[in-house]
Amino acid sequence: SAVISQKPSRDICQRGTSLTIQCQVDSQVTMMFWYRQQPGQSLTLIATANQGSEATYESGFVIDKFPISRPNLTFSTLTVSNMSPEDSSIYLCSVETSGALEQYFGPGTRLTVT
Amino acid sequence: QKEVEQNSGPLSVPEGAIASLNCTYSDRGSQSFFWYRQYSGKSPELIMSIYSNGDKEDGRFTAQLNKASQYVSLLIRDSQPSDSATYLCAVLLLPPNSGYALNFGKGTSLLVTP
Repeated sequence: SAVISQKPSRDICQRGTSLTIQCQVDSQVTMMFWYRQQPGQSLTLIATANQGSEATYESGFVIDKFPISRPNLTFSTLTVSNMSPEDSSIYLCSVETSGALEQYFGPGTRLTVT
Repeated sequence: QKEVEQNSGPLSVPEGAIASLNCTYSDRGSQSFFWYRQYSGKSPELIMSIYSNGDKEDGRFTAQLNKASQYVSLLIRDSQPSDSATYLCAVLLLPPNSGYALNFGKGTSLLVTP
């Protein structure tokens, strides 16, 4: 499976500010995804990051709040905009590499909004 | 509403025993099924994938799928204390219904006692 890294690993931010999270993969991948895991909860898909086109957002998530970029097949960013304490979560990127529909997760970014 | 249900646990088993983790799903269109292990403070790690009815074995792990009953399970043989973690069941609906979104259950906490 691919090696996935995320930056930052954790951050503490003030409400009203924005944070950009980076996801880097060591090989080209077709599919990249962004998930959120709120405290004590399971994972929820935010969006699919599409290379060369706008991301595909799931119900309840909008581009103004979670803009996503995917400039190439190895890199994506997720921005959490105008943050509130409710945005405190772990944000994870995942990739699908093998064509077998299996997704592999990065180490995650733990975000705390005060 | 696409539901993936798991007993939250904790499921406690003695070392060396078989741990049985269960998952039910609501959408009959589901085609691919995955088990992830998540240690506290870490990101999910893919353990098994299963796509066809029946059993699939990989080392100490066996995944079982019954699409008629909408049921998937994970058996862990010879359980070790290092298996203590939260196990997440994930279900994939293939396009065009849902893109490649993995729908996760809330996870079952497994505790293997020495």
